[in-house]
Amino acid sequence: DVKVTQSSRYLVKRTGEKVFLECVQDMDHENMFWYRQDPGLGLRLIYFSYDVKMKEKGDIPEGYSVSREKKERFSLILESASTNQTSMYLCASSHGQNQETQYFGPGTRLLVL
Amino acid sequence: AQKVTQAQTEISVVEKEDVTLDCVYETRDTTYYLFWYKQPPSGELVFLIRRNSFDEQNEISGRYSWNFQKSTSSFNFTITASQVVDSAVYFCALRRNGRETSGSRLTFGEGTQLTVNP
Repeated sequence: DVKVTQSSRYLVKRTGEKVFLECVQDMDHENMFWYRQDPGLGLRLIYFSYDVKMKEKGDIPEGYSVSREKKERFSLILESASTNQTSMYLCASSHGQNQETQYFGPGTRLLVL
Repeated sequence: AQKVTQAQTEISVVEKEDVTLDCVYETRDTTYYLFWYKQPPSGELVFLIRRNSFDEQNEISGRYSWNFQKSTSSFNFTITASQVVDSAVYFCALRRNGRETSGSRLTFGEGTQLTVNP
């Protein structure tokens, strides 16, 4: 079974703090993704990575950065958290082939006060 | 540009009723993939089905069935004899068939909250 894990299920941070969200997959997937989910907006892609140290911006990268130093781990970084970054964050991974399905982690609910 | 529309924001049914979740998509690609995911209250998105644009055969898996109609750009999902455990948010998604890295991206609809009451 594909396993995608995220470091925290719930996180509370203060405005201005630096926040790290970690995602790990155990299926040797080339692609990894970070989404945020907000009511009425569905899932929106923040960043994705198709190989170690490689990344591409998604639809809403502003205020975020990412790091992929190892194939199995993809980190999302909020350099200076703001209240409008309060959201559900979902990580996903997939193989590099064209038709491969994305598998999701359990999500991290982040509250920025 | 790609777009997925799930016009039904919320649906409420009574157990054992059949329910259909609508999904309409827009794409200029001739080859693409469509997906349905289920998100129970726990939060994790669970993969349900993947369909490529060449295969318009309807699919049935237990109480779940999918109706793909390229002519109307729709990929609807029906749950037969719904159960309380089917209560979740359901997302439809579209993916390109490009070999470029952006081909890995999914475009999601807004989701439909299904509530099945006992």
